[in-house]
Amino acid sequence: AQSVSQHNHHVILSEAASLELGCNYSYGGTVNLFWYVQYPGQHLQLLLKYFSGDPLVKGIKGFEAEFIKSKFSFNLRKPSVQWSDTAEYFCAVNEDGSGYSTLTFGKGTMLLVSP
Amino acid sequence: SAVISQKPSRDICQRGTSLTIQCQVDSQVTMMFWYRQQPGQSLTLIATANQGSEATYESGFVIDKFPISRPNLTFSTLTVSNMSPEDSSIYLCSVGGQVSLDNGEQYFGPGTRLTVT
Repeated sequence: AQSVSQHNHHVILSEAASLELGCNYSYGGTVNLFWYVQYPGQHLQLLLKYFSGDPLVKGIKGFEAEFIKSKFSFNLRKPSVQWSDTAEYFCAVNEDGSGYSTLTFGKGTMLLVSP
Repeated sequence: SAVISQKPSRDICQRGTSLTIQCQVDSQVTMMFWYRQQPGQSLTLIATANQGSEATYESGFVIDKFPISRPNLTFSTLTVSNMSPEDSSIYLCSVGGQVSLDNGEQYFGPGTRLTVT
């Protein structure tokens, strides 16, 4: 079975600091990888995803993530965070292939950016 | 993408009662998913609802506790039955999951925050 682990449950940063949120997954097959974000009071929404090609993927709002297959990792990064990045971030994985595939989520990381 | 609404947005219920949560999508979708997000925990899949067939439940979730209806391609309900305080959680509806279409990306509703007293 798949599992996803996020290393930090809470992260507190000052504005302009750099961000890296860790995500590791365990699954032996080919996977698609996602980062979702939930801003306070809003829906869970997709930040970025990786399914093939360049392992460095860029998402909305200046976020990027790098897929390192040998490390089973998909860490999320942003060079300079803003107060508006305060949110909960979830890493998720599904099994690549045909048909429908369910998502397995990590426990989430709550990011608080102080102005 | 899809626009998903849920009703109610939140509720406070008494132990032993049941609550039915509605999920409405603005387009026809094959698969709908129901998740639970408990405080400090990840999103956990409860079941997958396919129109015209019985829902498929994940390990640890049973139909008697979480009956699901899927009467058409834009609507589903999840009932939380015989509630206890341990059922206090956010319940989320999502759609998508087709790997060939969006690599299995899912779109989520706003959630229903349930508190059981």
